[in-house]
Amino acid sequence: DVKVTQSSRYLVKRTGEKVFLECVQDMDHENMFWYRQDPGLGLRLIYFSYDVKMKEKGDIPEGYSVSREKKERFSLILESASTNQTSMYLCASSFYQPQHFGDGTRLSIL
Amino acid sequence: EDQVTQSPEALRLQEGESSSLNCSYTVSGLRGLFWYRQDPGKGPEFLFTLYSAGEEKEKERLKATLTKKESFLHITAPKPEDSATYLCAVQYPKAAGNKLTFGGGTRVLVKP
Repeated sequence: DVKVTQSSRYLVKRTGEKVFLECVQDMDHENMFWYRQDPGLGLRLIYFSYDVKMKEKGDIPEGYSVSREKKERFSLILESASTNQTSMYLCASSFYQPQHFGDGTRLSIL
Repeated sequence: EDQVTQSPEALRLQEGESSSLNCSYTVSGLRGLFWYRQDPGKGPEFLFTLYSAGEEKEKERLKATLTKKESFLHITAPKPEDSATYLCAVQYPKAAGNKLTFGGGTRVLVKP
């Protein structure tokens, strides 16, 4: 079974902090993705990566950056957290399709 | 703009009462359509992939079908454990990489 592990289930941070969300997959997948999920807005793609050190902007990249130094790890960075970034963040990985998801990090920015 | 629309937004069923969920998309020739199940506080769990019109996939009480403009997820004789949010996602022909466009989901509640 594919396992996608997100480092924290719940996280509380303050406005202006730099926040790191970590994701690790154990299936040697090339592709990794970061989404946020908000009520009424569904899943929206923030960034994705198709190889080590490669990244592509998704639909809502503003205020975020990513890092992929190793194939199995994909990090999402909130450069200066704001309250409108309070959300559920989901990481996914795939070889091609389908994408397999972690259980999410519920992030609250106070 | 590539869109995926799911209906209804919510569905309340009695145990054993069969029903269908709809997923419609804006262009033909998609590269794949995916159904996921999501339980509260968890990530989406992959259910089915459909690639071409006329294709059908089944798993226990769930059956997914695909036409040129929409997909249906049929739930036959549901049980309370089928309660979840069901998400549909489409890989559009010009999507960069393996990007998926998700619908808003259908929340299904099956009452005993």
